[in-house]
Amino acid sequence: AAGVIQSPRHLIKEKRETATLKCYPIPRHDTVYWYQQGPGQDPQFLISFYEKMQSDKGSIPDRFSAQQFSDYHSELNMSSLELGDSALYFCASSSILEDTQYFGPGTRLTVL
Amino acid sequence: AQKITQTQPGMFVQEKEAVTLDCTYDTSDPSYGLFWYKQPSSGEMIFLIYQGSYDQQNATEGRYSLNFQKARKSANLVISASQLGDSAMYFCAMREGGEYGNKLVFGAGTILRVKS
Repeated sequence: AAGVIQSPRHLIKEKRETATLKCYPIPRHDTVYWYQQGPGQDPQFLISFYEKMQSDKGSIPDRFSAQQFSDYHSELNMSSLELGDSALYFCASSSILEDTQYFGPGTRLTVL
Repeated sequence: AQKITQTQPGMFVQEKEAVTLDCTYDTSDPSYGLFWYKQPSSGEMIFLIYQGSYDQQNATEGRYSLNFQKARKSANLVISASQLGDSAMYFCAMREGGEYGNKLVFGAGTILRVKS
């Protein structure tokens, strides 16, 4: 079965640079979620989109923005990167027919 | 306020034995969902099992079962016949509300080590 696809899987950036993370949800899933997991921590919700509209917002810094496109893929844009942004970033998707969120493999971002 | 509490930072279990991972939650919403995810050292988050607040029976998925005690607000994960590959971090999570697009709130996790 198709899973959530995230790219890139690994990303290394310098402080103050920008990064774009991409997420391709499971086909026919209409909701996309972004989570950030710092080292040794549990995942923290950043933002979600339902049918291309922002549906919920968590502790997402103002330096970050995200959107969902017409083909339902989503991008998380991160600017003015800081050392503390180093984390594993997950995208998850779900369907209106099912409650479960399925996670992608994650993008490991390292800010030097 | 902590919404999901996992009181066991780490657990050991002998191969082929059963193990229970504890999870308690706090919500005033009558409609919610409870989830367990497995995160191996490779990092991915693998969905294991789901329990809806209105479900009358405990959820089961293969070797995983969820011991749902609504009055106690607990949703413990039971893994039967543990295997070496079960060694991982396990997260309990909750979704509140009946609307779509609601976030998951995670507990701190429990590291499980299966001994041969």
